[in-house]
Amino acid sequence: GAVVSQHPSRVICKSGTSVKIECRSLDFQATTMFWYRQFPKKSLMLMATSNEGSKATYEQGVEKDKFLINHASLTLSTLTVTSAHPEDSSFYICSARDPTATRHNEQFFGPGTRLTVL
Amino acid sequence: GESVGLHLPTLSVQEGDNSIINCAYSNSASDYFIWYKQESGKGPQFIIDIRSNMDKRQGQRVTVLLNKTVKHLSLQIAATQPGDSAVYFCAEITGFQKLVFGTGTRLLVSP
Repeated sequence: GAVVSQHPSRVICKSGTSVKIECRSLDFQATTMFWYRQFPKKSLMLMATSNEGSKATYEQGVEKDKFLINHASLTLSTLTVTSAHPEDSSFYICSARDPTATRHNEQFFGPGTRLTVL
Repeated sequence: GESVGLHLPTLSVQEGDNSIINCAYSNSASDYFIWYKQESGKGPQFIIDIRSNMDKRQGQRVTVLLNKTVKHLSLQIAATQPGDSAVYFCAEITGFQKLVFGTGTRLLVSP
């Protein structure tokens, strides 16, 4: 199956700093990538939809100036958490849609990035 | 045993038992549903899917049942194994082609 990677897997940063998380589709070209956030013992919440070459579409309540998304190529999307604060600590998961997949609108998920803001 | 819950309930079963995990979805217009398995510290993994024009679909050791009348989805796992221990999420595809995840159920399988 299609593989999606994320880097880093874990990151600890100080409050006020910015953190960049990368999401890569390793063996397919992803025209659309998604970013989710998951708090402990909670479900995944969609933050934004990222289409290659265009601006991301953010879900209601997600600050686009705080969570900067760039999808500059068909295999890479980045999420930058700007001026991070402890409440931004969470598990961030990306997914990528393979347009050639046989299943309807199938998304392949990355392994997630654990962000801890001190 | 089976489990219905509003916020990450836990279902504990013995190895070899059959497990039933339930999910209530929200959008009657959703036409496609997926069950995912998420192990600790990892991303969701596809298990099985079903379209809204079906009421049952079987995979290897897993069966998904869909009841559109009451907007209910269930995942049945036959002969549950310790490796099945994880959190299970149902998800629906909305008209905007977005995945909306349910609250999840933790499955604990003891040997």
